[in-house]
Amino acid sequence: AQKVTQAQTEISVVEKEDVTLDCVYETRDTTYYLFWYKQPPSGELVFLIRRNSFDEQNEISGRYSWNFQKSTSSFNFTITASQVVDSAVYFCAYGSSNTGKLIFGQGTTLQVKP
Amino acid sequence: DAMVIQNPRYQVTQFGKPVTLSCSQTLNHNVMYWYQQKSSQAPKLLFHYYDKDFNNEADTPDNFQSRRPNTSFCFLDIRSPGLGDAAMYLCATGGDQPQHFGDGTRLSIL
Repeated sequence: AQKVTQAQTEISVVEKEDVTLDCVYETRDTTYYLFWYKQPPSGELVFLIRRNSFDEQNEISGRYSWNFQKSTSSFNFTITASQVVDSAVYFCAYGSSNTGKLIFGQGTTLQVKP
Repeated sequence: DAMVIQNPRYQVTQFGKPVTLSCSQTLNHNVMYWYQQKSSQAPKLLFHYYDKDFNNEADTPDNFQSRRPNTSFCFLDIRSPGLGDAAMYLCATGGDQPQHFGDGTRLSIL
């Protein structure tokens, strides 16, 4: 069975610090997707990124960057120069390429202090 | 423009009183999903529809049912809500990855 582990339950940083959120997954599938979602206090899930299992290129989008390493089954997320508005719960998720079902990690609560 | 719309945003019901949550999508996707998210936990899939084919997760309680009258709409029916069913309910759609989520309905049980 597939599993997603986010070992960091809570992270607290001061504004402008860089922060990395870790995600490790387990699967025997050869094709799959990996996601990151942000959930602010208002509760909605905001899509951040999707990565196909065949695409190990790192990606940068503004202050966000993602490091996908298939060899270590990790898909880590870095926020550069964090801001107070980045405070939220961040979920890493595994997506089945067959059914589209998502399996979420337990989430990492990020608090960015001014 | 919102692509997945959930109503209401907040729902309060009484213990044991049936309640229905609704979801609509403007994306014309084949697949629709219902997730349950309890406080401080990750979202957990309850069931999903591929077109009209209903797929129940093995551990979804019998108390939860769903209807999909057409491509655009999907309903979550909780027949006899218990205190343990208080949660955020998230609807999502995806003809292809990624899944688009609605803003959720937060259900409270009195």
